[in-house]
Parts: sequence; structure tokens; C-alpha cells
Amino acid sequence: DIQMTQSPSSVSASVGDRVTITCRASQGISSWLAWYQQKPGKAPKLLISAASSLESGVPSRFSGSGSGTDFTLTISRLQPEDFATYYCQQADSFPYTFGQGTKLEIK
Amino acid sequence: QVQLVQSGAEVKKPGASVKVSCKASGYTFASYAMQWVRQAPGQRLEWMAWISAGTGNTKSSQKFQGRITITRDTSASTVYMELSSLRSEDTAVYYCARDLGGGWFDPWGLGTLVTVSS
Repeated sequence: DIQMTQSPSSVSASVGDRVTITCRASQGISSWLAWYQQKPGKAPKLLISAASSLESGVPSRFSGSGSGTDFTLTISRLQPEDFATYYCQQADSFPYTFGQGTKLEIK
Repeated sequence: QVQLVQSGAEVKKPGASVKVSCKASGYTFASYAMQWVRQAPGQRLEWMAWISAGTGNTKSSQKFQGRITITRDTSASTVYMELSSLRSEDTAVYYCARDLGGGWFDPWGLGTLVTVSS
């Protein structure tokens, strides 16, 4: 199985800050990567697919990049509604696997 | 709008089975696959299985092989996930999610809490 490792596991930031979350795959997955946002008690929401394609309705302050084994999710100019847990997921091969999550907290 | 409505919370004893349903609306059911993902308390998301709503073909994680059954009823636009031989470690929120075609999931159902306890 492909292992997905995110860093950091948690990060504290302020409204208006820029935050970058990293996701590393245990083997190359080309651009078969998605990013999700999950708020407490809610279902995950798809933000980015194919490593860098922003989903419809997702604010442009979210961006994704990377290919192969190393990927990043960047949130520029944090807004209060962005404080949540973020997960990466590889879609290269079954079984699909997720990172352990990065909890973004208000400083 | 696209919506996935899941069945309600369940409490089961160890060794029992649970069947969770996921009713889709707002799109052509047979045109998309459906995934099942679970999340144990405080844990990461865990992919369980995939079903093509059009053909009924399935794929599941080896972790659940022999215990999981995924089916669909096209007339009801509903997919089902049955997990047998439940143990306490199966306590989790179970989500269905539509596969957009690339292996990414949107939208997700609200989740079904399954509690396994004696």
C-alpha cells in the first residue's frame, strides 16, 4: 500500500497568514492526489484534485502543487472559516490511502 | 443539487453485521462510482471499498476482504455497505462518497456512526 505522510501534524496561525502543508507519498503517484478539508463533526470536502486543480466554488486562496512523491497545499491569507483539518489522499492505486491529517488552529 | 443521504446510526454487538445505505440524488446514478470511507474516533480517513454504480463491479481493501459486501440498487439509486463479524475496532463513522472519476470524492454523505459494543 502507498503510505501518505503529512507535515506538520498541527499548525497554529493567525487570520491573514499564509500556511503551507506538505504531503509525501511512499512511492511516485504522478499527479494522482487530492486535498480535503474537514471541520469537526462534518464530512470532508474536496478542495483540490489532480494535485493542483481547484474544485468549483473553492476560494482561490487555496492552491496545490507537486507531482511524483512531494505535494503541497497552500492557503494564502487565512480566513476564520479555514481553521479545520486537512487531508491528502492518493488516487494512483487501490487501496486509496489518506494522510494522517494536519490540524490548522487559530493562534 | 447532488446529495447523498445515509442511513441512521447503529449500535451492534461484537460478531454482528451492519448494513449502511447511501441514497443518491441530483445526478445520473449509473454514471459514477461510489466509495466507502470510514473514520474511527480521532483517526485518519480509511478507504474501504468502491462500486461502479453502472456495472456493479466492486473493489475493496484487503483489510476488509471476506467481511465487506458492497451492492447497489439502480432502481432506488442506492448503494449499500455491509460489514460482518464486527469488533470494537470497527466503531467509526462510515461515509459514502461519489467518485468523480479520477479517484477523488465529492460530495460525501453526512456519515453513519456505527458503534460496536457489548
